[in-house]
Amino acid sequence: NAGVTQTPKFQVLKTGQSMTLQCAQDMNHNSMYWYRQDPGMGLRLIYYSASEGTTDKGEVPNGYNVSRLNKREFSLRLESAAPSQTSVYFCASSEAGGPTNEKLFFGSGTQLSVL
Amino acid sequence: RKEVEQDPGPFNVPEGATVAFNCTYSNSASQSFFWYRQDCRKEPKLLMSVYSSGNEDGRFTAQLNRASQYISLLIRDSKLSDSATYLCVVDSNYQLIWGAGTKLIIKP
Repeated sequence: NAGVTQTPKFQVLKTGQSMTLQCAQDMNHNSMYWYRQDPGMGLRLIYYSASEGTTDKGEVPNGYNVSRLNKREFSLRLESAAPSQTSVYFCASSEAGGPTNEKLFFGSGTQLSVL
Repeated sequence: RKEVEQDPGPFNVPEGATVAFNCTYSNSASQSFFWYRQDCRKEPKLLMSVYSSGNEDGRFTAQLNRASQYISLLIRDSKLSDSATYLCVVDSNYQLIWGAGTKLIIKP
């Protein structure tokens, strides 16, 4: 059982380049999330999707867009990458509920560097 | 002041010892509290929820002190495999707020 799969694991971008982080879950979960984790800070929610067809902004949405392609997949797009977006990105899913659902299942993370 | 604060550590503890660390939160209306564990360069995983009456799971005990607005995690008979960063999570204004984590190193 794969759980939450996100790709790529590592990425280096130049300022201004665009890219999409992919995430898929095979647990039939309704809710999916994108977080970023920076040194010395807690995880911060970028966007979430409480159910298929809906997306909402989290704490730090600026510079990002998301697409809930279907129940399984939730992608995160950086249209014009900036050095401030250098971070580790985690996708997560949960069975139900919104952004305060307790049991989140995380992907293994994407380490992104923007030069 | 951060909404959720943790001592970053590291806490260096000998194997077999008991260790405890706290997490303070600022929103008195918070209702949900959790501890997650994150191994180095890995994803966070839910360790346990924290209930008003406390919660125990094997060697791990979590407690909530609403009056002083903190939650605690106690680990008894610590194992080498307990080495990790422990993340405190609190709900606030319909979002989960994550602490930056407390790093625990168990030494043989």
